[in-house]
Parts: sequence; structure tokens; C-alpha cells
Amino acid sequence: DTAVSQTPKYLVTQMGNDKSIKCEQNLGHDTMYWYKQDSKKFLKIMFSYNNKELIINETVPNRFSPKSPDKAHLNLHINSLELGDSAVYFCASSQEAESTFEQFFGPGTRLTVL
Amino acid sequence: GESVGLHLPTLSVQEGDNSIINCAYSNSASDYFIWYKQESGKGPQFIIDIRSNMDKRQGQRVTVLLNKTVKHLSLQIAATQPGDSAVYFCAENYSGGYQKVTFGIGTKLQVIP
Repeated sequence: DTAVSQTPKYLVTQMGNDKSIKCEQNLGHDTMYWYKQDSKKFLKIMFSYNNKELIINETVPNRFSPKSPDKAHLNLHINSLELGDSAVYFCASSQEAESTFEQFFGPGTRLTVL
Repeated sequence: GESVGLHLPTLSVQEGDNSIINCAYSNSASDYFIWYKQESGKGPQFIIDIRSNMDKRQGQRVTVLLNKTVKHLSLQIAATQPGDSAVYFCAENYSGGYQKVTFGIGTKLQVIP
């Protein structure tokens, strides 16, 4: 029933490791996003895909690589994890309509890098 | 990057009182604005939106006011309830872009029973 789901919910790992976070939406939306939220709750967009095509790529280190196998899925792979990558990562989706750009967010993945 | 040096503003309100959360936006070309509510341990959730051709929009217990002259947005919550305790974000969007929404810093609302 969940509209936007993410796995895992918690991820604890050592510096230097490679990890992936998965996101799926069952809303039929065309656009999906990854956001990073830091410890002060600041929410910053990282990437956006529209119909599997990358349309927003903010100034994110190239250790972060998004992949969209189909328009319902957007995964985030992170290489060589650093302490500063510790944050909550949110996936979101939206469908552009005349009246709204409402984004639907997943529950978040709390990444802790030790 | 990190919001170094910035602190999450907090608003404490007595249950039953009205709350007003303010937001200043940065892009004068932004033409669509949204308020989101984020409860602890959850993702942000849409509350209400407003387009730049409007000054005011009302929802259930919430009202958004837009002042384009000073690039200011506010969210008013009537008869605040404990369930309203959350972090509230304003967000702006320029419809000429690819649905890129820029979020404000957020305000933590604490409702005192």
C-alpha cells in the first residue's frame, strides 16, 4: 500500500565501503528524486529523474551515482563512503500537473558512516 | 552541503492557540510555493500550496499567505493541536524548470498541551 518505499530504513557502515539505497514508487509518477537531509534538518536535492532520464544533478560528489532501471525505481549507489555522508536520504516522486508539483516522500534511510 | 552555522528555528505554541510560521524565499522568479510538514522519523508531507498569482489560500485549519513584494510566505495553523508538532518547510519552485523545488531551512513547531 505504501506509495514511496525505501530500503533499508537504517544503514550503518564503515568509511570506505560502498552501499546502495533502493527506492520504489507505486503512484505511476514520471519523476523521482533523491534528497539529503543533514543533522540540522536542511533538505537538499541531489538528483532527479524523469522517465528514467537524469534531469537534475546538483553539485554532488561523483561517488554518488543514481540509477533508474524503470520509472518506478530510483536507486542510489554511494562509493567510498565518508563520515560527511552520514545523513537521512529521502526519495520522492511527483507527477507534473497543471495545478500542483506536490512531491511524495518516502520514509527516509538513515545512513551512519563510522 | 551541510547547513553549518544555521540553527533550526523553534516556535512554541499553547494548544488551542493559532500558530504562524514564516518563511523568506530567495528567487523572485519562483511562481509556486508549497508548505510541507515533517513529523519525527518520517518524510515530509504536503500541506498546502499557492501559486504566485494568489495572495492567500485556505485549507482545513491552515492558511498560506504570500507577499511577493518582500518575498515572504507564511503558514497559519488555527487551533493548534499536539498532532501539529513537527518541522515545517516552505519550498519554492520556478515552473520554467524541471520541477526543481528548493526547500527553506525549516521551523520546528512545539505544541504545549
